Amino acid sequence: EIVLTQSPGTLSLSPGERATLSCKTSQSVSSSYLTWYQQKPGQAPRLLIYGVSRRATDIPDRFSGSGSGTDFTLTISRLEPEDFAVYYCQQYGTSPTFGPGTKVEIK
Amino acid sequence: QVQLQESGPGLVKPSQTLSLTCAVSGGSISSGGYSWNWIRQPPGKGLEWIGFIYYSGGTYYNPSLKSRVTISADMSKNQFSLKLTSVTAADTAVYYCARLWFGELGPVFDYWGQGTSVTVSS
Repeated sequence: EIVLTQSPGTLSLSPGERATLSCKTSQSVSSSYLTWYQQKPGQAPRLLIYGVSRRATDIPDRFSGSGSGTDFTLTISRLEPEDFAVYYCQQYGTSPTFGPGTKVEIK
Repeated sequence: QVQLQESGPGLVKPSQTLSLTCAVSGGSISSGGYSWNWIRQPPGKGLEWIGFIYYSGGTYYNPSLKSRVTISADMSKNQFSLKLTSVTAADTAVYYCARLWFGELGPVFDYWGQGTSVTVSS
């Protein structure tokens, strides 16, 4: 099973700041199979970025994804109040696994 | 717009079987290119994939849960179901159903239900 590690566990930032979230996989994964989700309290996860860097429908361009091999990054260029949430990366090798999540909280 | 809605008991006794159903609207579960999944999230924790049923009826389960999980589908009702046997407190979680889309950039969970909370307790 491919294990995903996300860092930091919590990111404390102010609105307008840049957020950089890391996702590392225990084995190299197909770049196409790395996905990011956003989850707000009491809500289901929402598809954010897929294929490493493709934004899902209606996702603003302040969200971007990058990376390859075992190292992937989600960047939020300027945090808006609605962006404070938990972000999960997910890979699909032989079966889907999720990272433990990074919480982006208001500083 | 595809919508998924989970339903089932919110409380299950230890050692019993957890049974949930996911009703799908806005799309057919028998359409090619998708699988229909169950994912759970224990309180305050991360996401764990449970398994899926493919549009053709084939199933695939998380190896760690495989011995206790059955996912089935009722095409006539456009819904699919989860059965998890011999539950313990560790199975307490919010259970989500979700569609896995096998797109050109790989498989992604593109639509999710709102989730249903299940507590295992006597």
